[in-house]
Amino acid sequence: GAVVSQHPSRVICKSGTSVKIECRSLDFQATTMFWYRQFPKQSLMLMATSNEGSKATYEQGVEKDKFLINHASLTLSTLTVTSAHPEDSSFYICSARGGRQGQETQYFGPGTRLLVL
Amino acid sequence: DQQVKQNSPSLSVQEGRISILNCDYTNSMFDYFLWYKKYPAEGPTFLISISSIKDKNEDGRFTVFLNKSAKHLSLHIVPSQPGDSAVYFCAASPSNTGNQFYFGTGTSLTVIP
Repeated sequence: GAVVSQHPSRVICKSGTSVKIECRSLDFQATTMFWYRQFPKQSLMLMATSNEGSKATYEQGVEKDKFLINHASLTLSTLTVTSAHPEDSSFYICSARGGRQGQETQYFGPGTRLLVL
Repeated sequence: DQQVKQNSPSLSVQEGRISILNCDYTNSMFDYFLWYKKYPAEGPTFLISISSIKDKNEDGRFTVFLNKSAKHLSLHIVPSQPGDSAVYFCAASPSNTGNQFYFGTGTSLTVIP
C-alpha cells in the first residue's frame, strides 16, 4: 500500500517557539493532503486540507495564522505550529489522498507527538 | 456535532471468536465508508471500505456490512486474533473521492488469547 511518512515522530518544545512537521508521500504523488489532530481517547479531527500550489482550506475553528500549512510539492506538505502553547500539545497526523480512481482513500502517516512545555 | 458515532468505546473478544464493531451515522449524504485500525502513537491504517451501492464487502477475515436505511455499518472480524487488538475507527465521506472524511470516536478491541 501507499506509504506516507512524517517527521519528526516526536517533538518537545518550549512555549512560544514554533514547530514544523513534515508529511511526505513516499511512493505516489498527492495533490491533496490532510492534517488531523487527535486528543487522547478522542476521534481524529480534521484541521485543514492542503492543496499543492494553492492555499490550504481550514476547518471551522482552526486558526490559520497559528497552524501554517505549506504544500510546496506533490510529495510534501508541512504544518508549522507557530508560537506553540501547552494547549497545542497533541498528536498530529497527516494523510494523503491516493488509490484507484473511484476507490480513493486516505493513507495516513505515523503521526507526530507534540509536547509543549 | 458528531456525525459518525461508535457507541462502544471498548470490546473484548476471545481469540477465534467473531468481533463485531458497530458504527452509526446521521448524515444521509454519506455514501462512502471506511474502517481504519490504529495502534497507540501510530497513524491509522486503512482496513476496508464500502460504497453505498453495496451492502457488504469482504476482504479475508474482515467483512463490512452497510445498512443504509438504518444508517448503520458494522465490521466483522472472524476469526479474531490477538494481533487484531487495536482501536478501530469508522469513517464516512459524502463521496468516494477520498476527501472530507468524518471519523467516529473509535472502539478499542482486545482479543484475549
